Amino acid sequence: EVQLVESGGGLVQPGRSLKLSCVASGFTFSNYGMNWIRQAPGKGLEWVAYISSGSSYIYYAETVKGRFTISRDNAKNTRYLQMTSLRSEDTALYYCARYGGYGGPLDYWGQGVMVTVSS
Amino acid sequence: EIVLTQSPTTMAASPGEKVTITCRASSSVSYMHWYQQKPGASPKPWIYDTSKLASGVPNRFSGSGSGTSYSLTISSMETEDTATYYCQQWSSNSRTFGGGTKLELK
Repeated sequence: EVQLVESGGGLVQPGRSLKLSCVASGFTFSNYGMNWIRQAPGKGLEWVAYISSGSSYIYYAETVKGRFTISRDNAKNTRYLQMTSLRSEDTALYYCARYGGYGGPLDYWGQGVMVTVSS
Repeated sequence: EIVLTQSPTTMAASPGEKVTITCRASSSVSYMHWYQQKPGASPKPWIYDTSKLASGVPNRFSGSGSGTSYSLTISSMETEDTATYYCQQWSSNSRTFGGGTKLELK
């Protein structure tokens, strides 16, 4: 069974940093690209970042470019999102999601981890 | 960046009613994916590659479209279909979601 489990969220002050993790199981992690998507309270989905299976391709939404860094450790089946210079508008539920490949959908999602940026 | 605009943003349908949700892209795209999200739950892939139903999706759902206009249709609304639906596409270096359509039961 495919599982994605996020962790690392919490309450953080504006301007500070936080690192999210997503541990994958039930599939060959190194074969799949992975994404982070976020959802602000009561709002819609916003794609945040993508990393390809071999880390050759990395893309970011304009809203986080230069502040967030996506990475992965295939040996640990884990993908990370390092978030710096956090702003109140970064407050959201952050999901990791697997990219099925070949232009396909995000076929498996984690349960999400909450990040609250507030003083 | 391609912008996806969904309409309507909210709608209510009676049981048995036909429902159509539209997603318009700011530039032509090759395909569209759709997700269903219920309150307190993670999104689920629902329709992919414009018209293919994800595993377990009832066949009263269908997807169609091309170019800049895509749609999700429910042939006969059922209670369990109440949810928010999002369209999504990939372009060269970004992925975008539509703003969502909240579907309620009338």
